[in-house]
Amino acid sequence: GAGVSQSPSNKVTEKGKDVELRCDPISGHTALYWYRQRLGQGLEFLIYFQGNSAPDKSGLPSDRFSAERTGESVSTLTIQRTQQEDSAVYLCASSLILGGDTQYFGPGTRLTVL
Amino acid sequence: AQKVTQAQTEISVVEKEDVTLDCVYETRDTTYYLFWYKQPPSGELVFLIRRNSFDEQNEISGRYSWNFQKSTSSFNFTITASQVVDSAVYFCALSEWGGGSNYKLTFGKGTLLTVNP
Repeated sequence: GAGVSQSPSNKVTEKGKDVELRCDPISGHTALYWYRQRLGQGLEFLIYFQGNSAPDKSGLPSDRFSAERTGESVSTLTIQRTQQEDSAVYLCASSLILGGDTQYFGPGTRLTVL
Repeated sequence: AQKVTQAQTEISVVEKEDVTLDCVYETRDTTYYLFWYKQPPSGELVFLIRRNSFDEQNEISGRYSWNFQKSTSSFNFTITASQVVDSAVYFCALSEWGGGSNYKLTFGKGTLLTVNP
């Protein structure tokens, strides 16, 4: 079956512009997660959704970051007024249920802020 | 707070050698899950294994094996008879049971394994 998909695969933007990153989870997966991977580093958790609810936004790096999810499907991560330090690969994952279940990752969106 | 340490930043071996990747974790929960993921040069994270804290049995899958020891808070990964296709960054991760952001995966910094022909 289809895995997690993300778009775009690459995004180059200028400092100060807004960007939207999209994630399509595996069909039937109720939980969805966003992570960030800076060059040569591990993965940093940003936010998770149970259905379309995001109970904890404390992992988002700043108030320029926001995310939403429509039902139990597509999620978008929006970064406003991008900064150079936002350059990273943004990874989305989904799992069947919340709480220790295996998270399956998409291919990521590589964001470059010039 | 949960933490995962992968002390080996880079490992280089010659094909057919066995190699062990170390993972040490910290958690205050009694119920938790441990994972290994592989990130090949293409960049996509590939799930390898998930273990819960109540199951300390070692697992073998082909050339891969995992040794989970709660006494030392370790979850080590061994590749037997390594192959060039095993070259990748390997991440160990921990997920605690509970609410809030404990549902997240906490990753180690990864170990870059290079298998030379």
